[in-house]
Amino acid sequence: AQKITQTQPGMFVQEKEAVTLDCTYDTSDPSYGLFWYKQPSSGEMIFLIYQGSYDQQNATEGRYSLNFQKARKSANLVISASQLGDSAMYFCAMRRPSGGYNKLIFGAGTRLAVHP
Amino acid sequence: DTGVSQDPRHKITKRGQNVTFRCDPISEHNRLYWYRQTLGQGPEFLTYFQNEAQLEKSRLLSDRFSAERPKGSFSTLEIQRTEQGDSAMYLCASSSVQGASGNTIYFGEGSWLTVV
Repeated sequence: AQKITQTQPGMFVQEKEAVTLDCTYDTSDPSYGLFWYKQPSSGEMIFLIYQGSYDQQNATEGRYSLNFQKARKSANLVISASQLGDSAMYFCAMRRPSGGYNKLIFGAGTRLAVHP
Repeated sequence: DTGVSQDPRHKITKRGQNVTFRCDPISEHNRLYWYRQTLGQGPEFLTYFQNEAQLEKSRLLSDRFSAERPKGSFSTLEIQRTEQGDSAMYLCASSSVQGASGNTIYFGEGSWLTVV
């Protein structure tokens, strides 16, 4: 069965420093996609970054990068130069191939607090 | 704004009442999803539409829940005879079939339901 594990319920980081949020996944499918979403207190799930299982390079989007280690089944999110506005819940999710559409399985999330 | 919009954003209802949530997906997105998120958890898949066809329903979607997407545009999620356990945020999301954006599911801001 597909599963996403985020072992850090909460993380603290000083403003302008980098932080890594952990995510491990379990799947027997050779083709899958991994996503990170940010959820501020308003509730909206904001798409941050995507990594396909066959992508050769780690995905990057501005200050966000995904440290993809396929053999270890990990897809950690790295946020560089943290800002106060980065304080939010962060969810790792896996796209489960099912009938050709994108059904996402989410982890429990990590709450990030950025301190000035 | 051309993002996913949901209405109402907040709903407080008495146990036993019916509630209906509406979702307007990103225009031209033919895939639409409903997820449910309880406090401290990641979102859980409820159901999926491709155009007007409801192609998958989670076992979480009891017979008190019904979702529709007439004409393949907006969608409604109705909960009949609400119970306190239905208190959660209901998230709608949409995606397209083709192109790079086909890898990404875009979420709305969610509809918070409190059953008292």
